[in-house]
Parts: sequence; C-alpha cells; structure tokens
Amino acid sequence: DTEVTQTPKHLVMGMTNKKSLKCEQHMGHRAMYWYKQKAKKPPELMFVYSYEKLSINESVPSRFSPECPNSSLLNLHLHALQPEDSALYLCASSQDGTDRVTEAFFGQGTRLTVV
Amino acid sequence: KQEVTQIPAALSVPEGENLVLNCSFTDSAIYNLQWFRQDPGKGLTSLLLIQSSQREQTSGRLNASLDKSSGRSTLYIAASQPGDSATYLCAVLGGDYNNNDMRFGAGTRLTVKP
Repeated sequence: DTEVTQTPKHLVMGMTNKKSLKCEQHMGHRAMYWYKQKAKKPPELMFVYSYEKLSINESVPSRFSPECPNSSLLNLHLHALQPEDSALYLCASSQDGTDRVTEAFFGQGTRLTVV
Repeated sequence: KQEVTQIPAALSVPEGENLVLNCSFTDSAIYNLQWFRQDPGKGLTSLLLIQSSQREQTSGRLNASLDKSSGRSTLYIAASQPGDSATYLCAVLGGDYNNNDMRFGAGTRLTVKP
C-alpha cells in the first residue's frame, strides 16, 4: 500500500474561519511533508516532520500551524487565512532522509479556496 | 539551499516521438532524485527514483539518468503517446541543508499530439 490519503479533497473557508487539513499514511514512513502549489507552479515546501518532530519550517506565516500527532498522521491547522492562500495543498511521506533510500509518495491534495 | 531547474518549460511533440526532459540542481550532495508526473489539478505520481549511487533507472518506456557530479538528470520518454501529456517534475532530496529537504523544479509541460 503506497497510499497517502488527504482530507478533505475540497475546502472553502472564510477569512475568519478555523479549519484543518488532514493527511494519513500507513507505510511506516517517518518523514512527512506539506507543500503548497499555486496554479501552473511547482510545489513549494512548507513544513517537514521527521520522527514526529518539525525538521523544516520554510518561514511560513503563523496562520498555518502544522501538527504531527503520531507517525501516521499529519495535520495543517488554518486560521485567519487570506485569499492569496488559495491553492492546492499537498501532503507527502517518505522514509526519513537519513536512510537515503527514500521514495516519496504524494496524496491527491486538498483544493483550498479562501473567500 | 538547493535550486532545481528544468528545461524546457513546455514541449509539444507528435505522437511516436522520443523525447528528453532535463533537470539540473545546484547542490550535488543529494540522496536521491525522483521524477514525478502531475495531471492538471491532481497530486503527484512517482515515475522513477534514482538513488545517489545509481546512474540510471528504467521503467517501461521511461529511462532516467543521473550525473550527480555535474548536477544533472534527464528523463527519456520513448515512443510518446497522447496519454503521456502531463507536467513532469523532478525533485531532489537531501543536500547540505537538511536530510529531508525535497525541492522541485518548475516542471516541463508536455503535450503529445495524436
């Protein structure tokens, strides 16, 4: 099973709302990623968790708050977003990079629209 | 930090042609390089993974090469088909910054005409 499951698939939220994106994998991977992708642009790295600890934070605004409650789950909590935050949010997982033999798998993404 | 560049940005070919997509990266201390395919509005599908110690990987009509010392990879697609139309992205993992740093190139948008 090489599946990464993201929920919801689509989300529309107002600028004052609080919502969460969820990502789940059962491949035993210990590195999990959040990417943001705007239309016709490549994925931009936001956060990386390694063994449930935040490993990389690419200076993402605090209105995005990641959480890794266990080795299978990754959440992205959203609060007071702006319309320019509308994008496809992608989750990925892989074995931790120190293992060096790491194939990354991506979910289908959450299409977020901020109104 | 790692910078990844893909050339060309877009490519349109008739069905049946063989084609080459290029990827270059600035930090050669990578763990691996992975090629993905993305259809519009969808997630990324892994095509090929090349570990840093390897020079080549093949899967069906796809062949990817890696020259780590020069910071280059190519994806060769043989006998292209209309179903190959998609955006192809290369991603490099690792480097001096962080073991789990995975960075993408801007992609090559491929159109294969029937």
